[in-house]
Amino acid sequence: QVQLVQSGAEVKKPGASVSVSCKASGYTFTANAIHWMRQAPGQGPEWMGWIYTDSGKTTYSQKFQGRVTFTRDTSATTVYMELRSLTSEDTAVFYCARSLGWFSDWGQGTPVTVSS
Amino acid sequence: ESVLTQSPDTLSLSPGERAVLSCRASQPLSNDYLAWYQQRPGRAPRVLIYRTSYRATGIPDRFSGSGSGTDFTLTISRLEPEDFGVYYCQHSGTSMFTFGGGTKVEIK
Repeated sequence: QVQLVQSGAEVKKPGASVSVSCKASGYTFTANAIHWMRQAPGQGPEWMGWIYTDSGKTTYSQKFQGRVTFTRDTSATTVYMELRSLTSEDTAVFYCARSLGWFSDWGQGTPVTVSS
Repeated sequence: ESVLTQSPDTLSLSPGERAVLSCRASQPLSNDYLAWYQQRPGRAPRVLIYRTSYRATGIPDRFSGSGSGTDFTLTISRLEPEDFGVYYCQHSGTSMFTFGGGTKVEIK
């Protein structure tokens, strides 16, 4: 079965960077794009962008452009999200999701807390 | 890109009742890639409906989706206790993906 397993919770100081991983299994890794979402407490998911897992081409939401980078390691079937210059607004759960044109499978989420 | 507005904010219904959730786009959607997700507390969202009206694998037939243009609906024909949670609509555009603000379904 399709599984997306994310790395564990993180606590960071303002201005720092965070890296979250998303390991895919149960399907052909390069067949589908992986998207990332941020969900702040009590809010709905917010789309951050996506990475084509075959070519590595990325597209970022304007809101996060310049502050986020997605990469992938095809041999490890893993996608990485790095978010820089963290603020309290980035205290949220971050999700990766496989796209079939809709978000068919989701990781379990990685809580990130930004606090001084 | 379209902004998705969901209504109502909260629905409080009894088991067996019908729930109708609305998702309205600020402009006609460019395609029919409108999906609905259910999210329970502390869990990731899970897809219920994709491409407006197709049920995802394993989703009971009490869930149905419809709509076109700017108005889309998720209907739960007979609420079960496990249907509580927050429901989000989501559109996949050419280069932009947007979520609605959510409707919370409470079971009386």
